[in-house]
Amino acid sequence: IQLTQSPSSFSASAGDKVTITCRASQGVSRYLAWYQQKPGKPPTLLVSGASTLQSGVPTRFSGSGSGTDFTLTINSLQAEDLATYYCQQYKSDPPTFGPGTKVDL
Amino acid sequence: QVRLQESGPGLVRPSETLSLTCTVSGGSISHYYCSWIRQSPGEGLEWIGYFSYNGRTKYNPSLDSRVAISSDTSKSQFSLQLTSVTAADSATYYCARGSRIDCSGGTCFQGSFDIWGPGTVVTVSS
Repeated sequence: IQLTQSPSSFSASAGDKVTITCRASQGVSRYLAWYQQKPGKPPTLLVSGASTLQSGVPTRFSGSGSGTDFTLTINSLQAEDLATYYCQQYKSDPPTFGPGTKVDL
Repeated sequence: QVRLQESGPGLVRPSETLSLTCTVSGGSISHYYCSWIRQSPGEGLEWIGYFSYNGRTKYNPSLDSRVAISSDTSKSQFSLQLTSVTAADSATYYCARGSRIDCSGGTCFQGSFDIWGPGTVVTVSS
């Protein structure tokens, strides 16, 4: 299953509402996760099951969608949110990742 | 708090075997999926395979003929071997814990990756 993300990168300002989309080449139900990766660090899990926020993740992050179209939203972007965001499907093997969306100022 | 740490050579010669070990501390992940994932600028994030809680292995078809993942629970470690490497195998390699989901009838499936090691950079070059 191939995943595409849009946009591939963009610049935002602190306080902005940011929306990143992920589209799957075939339906993955809600078996979709979102990760945040900062330079030189491994990805960290933000959302699983399309919309379940992981413990400790700020509530300004939210995920939605099902089937083939998903969204990660960051309400009121903070400086520490500057990173690359990846979606990942685990509906079928092999699990696959999107190409990433880089968010910078 | 469970932590993962990759270790192994940072330089591997072409056609040789890449061998990495992931050491688990702060708890056990034997009830989960022990996965390897790699990341390169050209290929992005690629799942390599896992050693599962019930002793099974599964590999990415793109690497299936060259990869082996094993586990040594007595040492709290799991390992990756990738044979016949080329420059295309140069990447940052991560070990990660895959969650167990949709368990029924004694069978579970791998979900998202909730714990990652810091990663280790491997370069394939002569």
